[in-house]
Amino acid sequence: DAGVIQSPRHEVTEMGQEVTLRCKPISGHNSLFWYRQTMMRGLELLIYFNNNVPIDDSGMPEDRFSAKMPNASFSTLKIQPSEPRDSAVYFCASSLMASGSYEQYFGPGTRLTVT
Amino acid sequence: SQQGEEDPQALSIQEGENATMNCSYKTSINNLQWYRQNSGRGLVHLILIRSNEREKHSGRLRVTLDTSKKSSSLLITASRAADTASYFCATDDDMRFGAGTRLTVKP
Repeated sequence: DAGVIQSPRHEVTEMGQEVTLRCKPISGHNSLFWYRQTMMRGLELLIYFNNNVPIDDSGMPEDRFSAKMPNASFSTLKIQPSEPRDSAVYFCASSLMASGSYEQYFGPGTRLTVT
Repeated sequence: SQQGEEDPQALSIQEGENATMNCSYKTSINNLQWYRQNSGRGLVHLILIRSNEREKHSGRLRVTLDTSKKSSSLLITASRAADTASYFCATDDDMRFGAGTRLTVKP
């Protein structure tokens, strides 16, 4: 298996632009997580899905952020409009929830820079 | 807020020495996991310990769990320069991560 795939790997955009980050989880996994990592705030859980349904989105910063999971093999995280403070590395992770275990597999991350 | 909190924040040792880092959590758990993150990369799962286990080994890693104290420790024996990374704990009840322990192993 190729592991969790994220695209793009790097994104540089101007303030006010829409940004869409993409994630393909490991085939067969039923949970998907979006995280954001910065030096100041560390690794933050933004949202997670179970069987394509959002379970906890309390970490989503504000209405500018939205996430979707239209099917088991694809998820997007959208920021509109983007702001410089959104600059961070965004990680997607997937797991197979079995017997209460959430061992997660992380993607390589998308480094977002908003100027 | 996150469930797992790691300490110390930073740890610097010489190659060959053992490294111990700790994790504390707030509420009852089913499982606790440790992850490693190399600079600029995604986290990698190291080991999972269940609430009914007290100790678990995996290669040079030894994890203990004390549910009465709501704490866990990760011991890396005979450390290597390649072990330089940040280490995080997380519980199944709350897949949020703390600030991690930044381990530096000097050759």
